[in-house]
Amino acid sequence: GENVEQHPSTLSVQEGDSAVIKCTYSDSASNYFPWYKQELGKRPQLIIDIRSNVGEKKDQRIAVTLNKTAKHFSLHITETQPEDSAVYFCAASYNTDKLIFGTGTRLQVFP
Amino acid sequence: DTAVSQTPKYLVTQMGNDKSIKCEQNLGHDTMYWYKQDSKKFLKIMFSYNNKELIINETVPNRFSPKSPDKAHLNLHINSLELGDSAVYFCASMIQRPSGDNEQFFGPGTRLTVL
Repeated sequence: GENVEQHPSTLSVQEGDSAVIKCTYSDSASNYFPWYKQELGKRPQLIIDIRSNVGEKKDQRIAVTLNKTAKHFSLHITETQPEDSAVYFCAASYNTDKLIFGTGTRLQVFP
Repeated sequence: DTAVSQTPKYLVTQMGNDKSIKCEQNLGHDTMYWYKQDSKKFLKIMFSYNNKELIINETVPNRFSPKSPDKAHLNLHINSLELGDSAVYFCASMIQRPSGDNEQFFGPGTRLTVL
């Protein structure tokens, strides 16, 4: 069945450094790749997404890249801040009907 | 003004009981979902409804029965609760944008603890 692998499971960085989280999907028909941020005790919230007809998308300090051939996509956070600390989930779907989530990455940004 | 709301926020109950979690969205979305997030934070889809019709059922035990009285509500009823049902359950609804960027909005979650 569909599967999304996410690495690393935990990531610790110093404030100001960059953080990169990587995901690999199995279903080559997948065409929508959102990233969700979940703060402790809160709901997951969409932070950025990308469709398969685009290779890269940026929104201020966050960017997502997609390599369709390798079935990889990555989240890049630059100039990290303590408020970026959270669990980040990647997901993949075909036409957004069913999101298959990765296993999550706990990001800690130390001041 | 909460877009997707769930009740209750916390639910503590004994094994074998039957319980329900309610979800409502005021966004006018057609599609609603139930997800289960276990203690390791794995987030897994359980059900999806589109305009009151079941679209996705991810091999969830039939002790779990979703009910959608109208497209703004998707309730989850669980019979004969087991210890392994302890988790946070998230409701979500989805907007379909013309651009094709379809965002799912999650509710605040219901933490279910089965003793």
